[in-house]
Amino acid sequence: DAKTTQPTSMDCAEGRAANLPCNHSTISGNEYVYWYRQIHSQGPQYIIHGLKNNETNEMASLIITEDRKSSTLILPHATLRDTAVYYCIVRDNTDKLIFGTGTRLQVFP
Amino acid sequence: ETGVTQTPRHLVMGMTNKKSLKCEQHLGHNAMYWYKQSAKKPLELMFVYNFKEQTENNSVPSRFSPECPNSSHLFLHLHTLQPEDSALYLCASSQVEGNQETQYFGPGTRLLVL
Repeated sequence: DAKTTQPTSMDCAEGRAANLPCNHSTISGNEYVYWYRQIHSQGPQYIIHGLKNNETNEMASLIITEDRKSSTLILPHATLRDTAVYYCIVRDNTDKLIFGTGTRLQVFP
Repeated sequence: ETGVTQTPRHLVMGMTNKKSLKCEQHLGHNAMYWYKQSAKKPLELMFVYNFKEQTENNSVPSRFSPECPNSSHLFLHLHTLQPEDSALYLCASSQVEGNQETQYFGPGTRLLVL
């Protein structure tokens, strides 16, 4: 059970912000929200994670709602190389890293 | 580059062959993992090693045999595989401490069993 719900696919124009939503309504207090992505035929790549505060790094921003039941990964200026499957994963460090089916993001020119 | 390397990147083997996949992490992590990703399926965890000790075997058939000689190296020994074992095999490593743990993945070995 992946504990999260994501749209199957999304499109985004190159240069625009890509906003990828994730629902995790059963998240518990000690569980973090992790985001990974997998470009075709490559290993998953860690993007960002957070507990309850919004987080930003060189790759993306993570916005977590106040009730922590949902979050949004933001790629501020999507490029063609951001085309990938994006996985939202809820876990604490005793859990397995369970990958669901993710969101297939297609960035188009 | 994530600091996790895997060799070979591609492997074709017959069902009677014996081969090994190698993973090396250069991150100083204390945990390593093997995952399997079959076509159009989510990643499946196979094995977990913490401090060189196997802590999880996720009901993997005995034709897959892991080995972790030290905290930087992980092997997956393969023998008498079946065509349905064809998949992308991914290695990951992490530093297990505190309440957070981020896994970093290698590029994978794409295996084809004929």
